[in-house]
Amino acid sequence: NAGVTQTPKFQVLKTGQSMTLQCAQDMNHEYMSWYRQDPGMGLRLIHYSVGAGITDQGEVPNGYNVSRSTTEDFPLRLLSAAPSQTSVYFCASSYSGSDEQFFGPGTRLTVL
Amino acid sequence: RKEVEQDPGPFNVPEGATVAFNCTYSNSASQSFFWYRQDCRKEPKLLMSVYSSGNEDGRFTAQLNRASQYISLLIRDSKLSDSATYLCVVRASGYALNFGKGTSLLVTP
Repeated sequence: NAGVTQTPKFQVLKTGQSMTLQCAQDMNHEYMSWYRQDPGMGLRLIHYSVGAGITDQGEVPNGYNVSRSTTEDFPLRLLSAAPSQTSVYFCASSYSGSDEQFFGPGTRLTVL
Repeated sequence: RKEVEQDPGPFNVPEGATVAFNCTYSNSASQSFFWYRQDCRKEPKLLMSVYSSGNEDGRFTAQLNRASQYISLLIRDSKLSDSATYLCVVRASGYALNFGKGTSLLVTP
């Protein structure tokens, strides 16, 4: 199993550009989520999904969109990048009855 | 006020020392509690769940005090490889996890 994979590992964007961060898992987990981690802030939940076709907002959803068309994939879209979205983004997944979340290696995003 | 509060440290301890981390949470309805470990520039990984009766995994002991809304992690006989950031994590209800900012530990030779 590859576990949770994320691409790209690093990305630099200009303000106003859009892009999609990819996340995939091969563990057949129902739950998937996106977090951002900023210095001194801890991890904050952006969006999550409890199954294909179902998504919901987390603590900091503004400026981000998600969709869950398959169990395996959960892409995160930045519609119009802003410097405040400079962060490390982690995707995570888990079984519906499990407390343990498995994290991907992260995407380091810089918005200039 | 953040839902999960931790002392950010850093804690610098010599090899073999015992070190304890504390964490408090604000939501009395919280249901599940965890410690995650995060190495520098890596993703968080579950270290251990925390149960009401307290639980131990090798050199690591976790305690929960629901009345005081307080969680602790004790590491005995510290190893160089224990150097990392330790994240206190709480689930109130549903799916969302609330993460503390983390406590940094550096174990020195």
